[in-house]
Amino acid sequence: DGGITQSPKYLFRKEGQNVTLSCEQNLNHDAMYWYRQDPGQGLRLIYYSQIVNDFQKGDIAEGYSVSREKKESFPLTVTSAQKNPTAFYLCASSRRGESEQFFGPGTRLTVL
Amino acid sequence: EDQVTQSPEALRLQEGESSSLNCSYTVSGLRGLFWYRQDPGKGPEFLFTLYSAGEEKEKERLKATLTKKESFLHITAPKPEDSATYLCAVQGYSGNTPLVFGKGTRLSVIA
Repeated sequence: DGGITQSPKYLFRKEGQNVTLSCEQNLNHDAMYWYRQDPGQGLRLIYYSQIVNDFQKGDIAEGYSVSREKKESFPLTVTSAQKNPTAFYLCASSRRGESEQFFGPGTRLTVL
Repeated sequence: EDQVTQSPEALRLQEGESSSLNCSYTVSGLRGLFWYRQDPGKGPEFLFTLYSAGEEKEKERLKATLTKKESFLHITAPKPEDSATYLCAVQGYSGNTPLVFGKGTRLSVIA
């Protein structure tokens, strides 16, 4: 089945540690996105990539980094510079030239 | 700056009691308006895309409509399994802009 996978589902880290969240898709989509969702809030865009080896900052990129070395993969690193990293992180993808985004199941990150 | 406002924040319905959710938007040229359903602890599930005023789309008990300033998600005779948060998002024509999401409406349908 085609889809988007995110791992792990739950992640716990100590304050000051970097952590990398995985996102893989087998939909052959060109564009991929990372969002953050806090309780009672909408989705806020962290980074997006419309093609391999290229990505752009979203509204809340500070304290995060990404890479796009393969079409299928778009990992997100939450660095120690991110002041409030505990949140639900969602990855999405879309076809080139189309706006509909399809989401993965999410990773809940808790920083202790 | 593109903006999306959803109302109400939360809505509680009896099973079979029809109602509507509102999504008001401001955007510099609408490329598309999107509705998603999100269950607790899960990723959003795509429902509809609307492109122009007057357009309507239906799926089971849901019907989405679009005007130049807002969209409605009508829920006819809802069932408990329709309970979820419904998210609205817009994309404008300014550059290659990603989607801008509202905060969602949390719907509870009571049997």
